[in-house]
Amino acid sequence: QVQLQESGPGLVKPSETLSLTCTVSGGSISSYFWSWIRQPPGKGLEWIGYIYYSGSTNYNPSLKSRLTISVDTSKNQFSLKLSSVTAADTAVYYCARGEYYFEYWGQGTLVTVSS
Amino acid sequence: QSVLTQPPSASGTPGQRVTISCSGSSSNIGTDYVYWYQQLPGTAPKLLIYRNNQRPSGVPDRFSGSKSGTSASLAISGLRSEDEADYYCAAWDDSLREVFGGGTKLTVL
Repeated sequence: QVQLQESGPGLVKPSETLSLTCTVSGGSISSYFWSWIRQPPGKGLEWIGYIYYSGSTNYNPSLKSRLTISVDTSKNQFSLKLSSVTAADTAVYYCARGEYYFEYWGQGTLVTVSS
Repeated sequence: QSVLTQPPSASGTPGQRVTISCSGSSSNIGTDYVYWYQQLPGTAPKLLIYRNNQRPSGVPDRFSGSKSGTSASLAISGLRSEDEADYYCAAWDDSLREVFGGGTKLTVL
C-alpha cells in the first residue's frame, strides 16, 4: 500500500519561503505524477501543482511565480517551495499521487505563516 | 469563490438517498472528467469517484457519480451515519489547473 508523509516546518515567517517534503513509501515514485494540494483552515481545497517523476511540472497559474516543485527519485521524495509567503498561505498542505485525480494522500501538515 | 459550484450543505436520514450537485462550465466539467472526494472530519480527502462514475477499489456501490453537460452529481444511497463528511467535486480546467468545488457538508440526521 502506497503511503505519503509530509514533513517540514509548521511555522514560517511572512516574506520567507515555505518548504515541505513528501516521502513516498510502499511503492516507487517512478512512472507517476505527484501533486500538492492545500486547504486553508475551515475552507476548501486548492490545487497547487504537480510533478512527473521525470521532473516535468505544471503549476497553478495563481502561484506559479512563487512556486517550485522538485523530485528526488533516489530518495523517493518530492518537494514544494513557496516563496514570499503571507498569512493567506496558511493552510494544511497535502501531498498526493496523481495528475488529474488523487488516489493516495498524505495525512497533511499545517503550515502557519506568522511572525 | 470556487470555480465549481456546490451547495454548502445537504442532509438526509439513515437509509435515505441523497444527491450533491456540482456545477461548472464548458471550460472544465463540459470538456473533462469529474472527480469526487470525501473528507471525514480531521482527515485527508479520499477519492470516491473518478472519471465521472468510476469507483476505486473499496468504495461501496452506494456511492455513484454522473455527469451531464456542465454539471455533475454524486448520489449516496442507503445513507449511513459514517457518511457524514464534506464532499468535494473536482475537474481539470482549460486554464491548466485542477479546480475544486467549495465543498458540501453532509449531515446525517
